[in-house]
Amino acid sequence: IAGITQAPTSQILAAGRRMTLRCTQDMRHNAMYWYRQDLGLGLRLIHYSNTAGTTGKGEVPDGYSVSRANTDDFPLTLASAVPSQTSVYFCASSDSTNSPLHFGNGTRLTVT
Amino acid sequence: GQNIDQPTEMTATEGAIVQINCTYQTSGFNGLFWYQQHAGEAPTFLSYNVLDGLEEKGRFSSFLSRSKGYSYLLLKELQMKDSASYLCAVRDSNYQLIWGAGTKLIIKP
Repeated sequence: IAGITQAPTSQILAAGRRMTLRCTQDMRHNAMYWYRQDLGLGLRLIHYSNTAGTTGKGEVPDGYSVSRANTDDFPLTLASAVPSQTSVYFCASSDSTNSPLHFGNGTRLTVT
Repeated sequence: GQNIDQPTEMTATEGAIVQINCTYQTSGFNGLFWYQQHAGEAPTFLSYNVLDGLEEKGRFSSFLSRSKGYSYLLLKELQMKDSASYLCAVRDSNYQLIWGAGTKLIIKP
């Protein structure tokens, strides 16, 4: 089934540790996005990529990095996790900047 | 700054009709989206409006007034499975999506 796969589903991480959240899509979408979702707040964009080889900063990029080596994969790395990064992380993709977003099932991350 | 406002929570009865409002103030406008998100799951696309008026899709309809910065999502013949959060999002002049915090809809029998 075509779609977006995120891994892991959930993770508990000690503060200061490095962590990479994986995201893979098989729809050949050009654009990919990483969001975090916190209670009472709208989805906030962390980083995005309009096409393979390019990335851009979103609303809340500090403490996160991304890469887009190919069309399918868009990993998100936390270099040194802090408790404020406890959140649900969603990866999404779209065919173009005008198209609806398709979301992965999310990664629930707890930083202790 | 950019802002999307929607009610935090609404309650409705199974079989009834409910309207969820969304008002926005953004830098430019390139379309408005509604998504449904069940608890613990990913958001899923419901509707897209870029021109003024009503878009109907089965039991769900979405309305847009660009001059008023206003949209609503209308859900008819409510079913228990419609209990979810409904997210409003606006695409701004840079084609970035600005998201509301979502409206949690509770359906009672």
